[in-house]
Amino acid sequence: GAGVSQSPSNKVTEKGKDVELRCDPISGHTALYWYRQSLGQGLEFLIYFQGNSAPDKSGLPSDRFSAERTGGSVSTLTIQRTQQEDSAVYLCATSRGPHDTQYFGPGTRLTVL
Amino acid sequence: AQTVTQSQPEMSVQEAETVTLSCTYDTSESDYYLFWYKQPPSRQMILVIRQEAYKQQNATENRFSVNFQKAAKSFSLKISDSQLGDAAMYFCAYRFTSGTYKYIFGTGTRLKVLA
Repeated sequence: GAGVSQSPSNKVTEKGKDVELRCDPISGHTALYWYRQSLGQGLEFLIYFQGNSAPDKSGLPSDRFSAERTGGSVSTLTIQRTQQEDSAVYLCATSRGPHDTQYFGPGTRLTVL
Repeated sequence: AQTVTQSQPEMSVQEAETVTLSCTYDTSESDYYLFWYKQPPSRQMILVIRQEAYKQQNATENRFSVNFQKAAKSFSLKISDSQLGDAAMYFCAYRFTSGTYKYIFGTGTRLKVLA
């Protein structure tokens, strides 16, 4: 079956604009994670969804960042009033359940000019 | 707070040789999961191997094996018979077993395989 997909694959925006990043999980996967990977860095946890609820959003760096998940499926990560330091690759990962193996999407590379 | 440390930013290995990537972590939990992920230039993260902390036996997956030392909080990855396709960034990760289930990743080791 299809893997985790993310769109867009690349996004260039101007400082101060809002952006939305989308993640389509593997069908049936109830757990969904968002990570940020800055250049040369590891993955930084942002938020974890179980179904439509987010038991852990402790990694969101500021109130400019928000995420939602609808229908236990698609998730959207929104960054408002983007800053240059938001430039990074944003990765989504999903798993059948919280104890199961994570499968990653290809990521969205965000560049804020 | 839990942390994961990979002290080798870059490693090189000759094709067909063996290489070991290091990872240490800090936690006060007794039960957790540890992982090695591979990220090739395509950016797609791929699970290499997984270890449950309650299992004393080291996990193996074909040419990949780990040396899990729970008391030392060490979790190294050994790649045997290295192949050109093994060239990638390798990330060590820690995961809680309850509550948040979130993952904590190290900063990665870039592995180069020399022909």
